[in-house]
Amino acid sequence: EPEVTQTPSHQVTQMGQEVILRCVPISNHLYFYWYRQILGQKVEFLVSFYNNEISEKSEIFDDQFSVERPDGSNFTLKIRSTKLEDSAMYFCASSTGGGNQPQHFGDGTRLSIL
Amino acid sequence: AQRVTQPEKLLSVFKGAPVELKCNYSYSGSPELFWYVQYSRQRLQLLLRHISRESIKGFTADLNKGETSFHLKKPFAQEEDSAMYYCALRTSGTYKYIFGTGTRLKVLA
Repeated sequence: EPEVTQTPSHQVTQMGQEVILRCVPISNHLYFYWYRQILGQKVEFLVSFYNNEISEKSEIFDDQFSVERPDGSNFTLKIRSTKLEDSAMYFCASSTGGGNQPQHFGDGTRLSIL
Repeated sequence: AQRVTQPEKLLSVFKGAPVELKCNYSYSGSPELFWYVQYSRQRLQLLLRHISRESIKGFTADLNKGETSFHLKKPFAQEEDSAMYYCALRTSGTYKYIFGTGTRLKVLA
């Protein structure tokens, strides 16, 4: 069964540095998402992306965050200047359509900011 | 504001006992509801969605709009059901899922 894949599984970065988290969505999916889960808290929506543009974003997704689909397969989340509070598990997801099509999640990238 | 509440952080049951994982939501429109399961060190996997009204791995969930609930049930728990269970809500006109805080189910031998 096709899966969403995320790399790296764990990223350790100094505060203030830029970080890029990578995702390869399922190949025939058209909608892409990022969520995050701070340790001990709920999974929170960050952003959705369709047709090469952001379709929806949360208040968490401020100017420090950006997303890109640089080629036909990758979907990336960039954090420009990381803060301690950015430490979390970041999940990528994809779906065939918006609406009631279920989202399929990757294993996540654990981001640790020192 | 839209919200999903899973009141139990941890639920322990013995093998063969019935299980009910509670999920309540707050949303005045027509919700779409999902249950996701996360086995140890694995990804979030879709377990059920209310529109399909199916039974997966013996689990069922019925949307009760009057009580704004979408509880997950299984008549006879198995040890392999031990996992983290998340209820998620999607509201009209959005793509995002709103997750509950999750319930850890432990099935004891």
